[in-house]
Amino acid sequence: AQSVSQHNHHVILSEAASLELGCNYSYGGTVNLFWYVQYPGQHLQLLLKYFSGDPLVKGIKGFEAEFIKSKFSFNLRKPSVQWSDTAEYFCAVTVNNDMRFGAGTRLTVKP
Amino acid sequence: EAGVAQSPRYKIIEKRQSVAFWCNPISGHATLYWYQQILGQGPKLLIQFQNNGVVDDSQLPKDRFSAERLKGVDSTLKIQPAKLEDSAVYLCASSRVSGLRGHYEQYFGPGTRLTVT
Repeated sequence: AQSVSQHNHHVILSEAASLELGCNYSYGGTVNLFWYVQYPGQHLQLLLKYFSGDPLVKGIKGFEAEFIKSKFSFNLRKPSVQWSDTAEYFCAVTVNNDMRFGAGTRLTVKP
Repeated sequence: EAGVAQSPRYKIIEKRQSVAFWCNPISGHATLYWYQQILGQGPKLLIQFQNNGVVDDSQLPKDRFSAERLKGVDSTLKIQPAKLEDSAVYLCASSRVSGLRGHYEQYFGPGTRLTVT
């Protein structure tokens, strides 16, 4: 079945550690890719998006993601996390204007 | 720019009761979405409107859920009658569609947390 998979349910890191959250999708054809973040008590916000062009996209707050078409992946990275990055992160894929979300990865950053 | 507004923020009802949620999208956004987010899962699209027309309602449980966007602006989502498994956060989002491939981003409201007891 077509899906969006996020490999890690819960990730715990110390401040200044590097972060990589995995996202794989199984849709064929042209896709648009997104990472959304939900900070505690807040609504979903867009971190970054990929439509076309350079497969390495940069978003807000030092986050970046790389689209690897051959691997159907769109992993999220940040070189050095901060306590304020504690949140839930959702990968999303749109196919024909239909957006599908992964189950989310909860990131806890210890001070 | 004002964000997507939703009300109420929280609702507790008993099973078999009915409930309605309201959403006001960002001004000028033609497309409006309702999502259901069950605890521990990502949002699942229930219905998508383009102006006041339904684009996709394939995942809406139509025997109990209904939604409307009569004037192409705000929208209501109703559940009647509610079941225990309807306990979730109901998110509304809106977007401005541009381009042939839907190059858009969705802006989300704060959601309504529904608890069915």
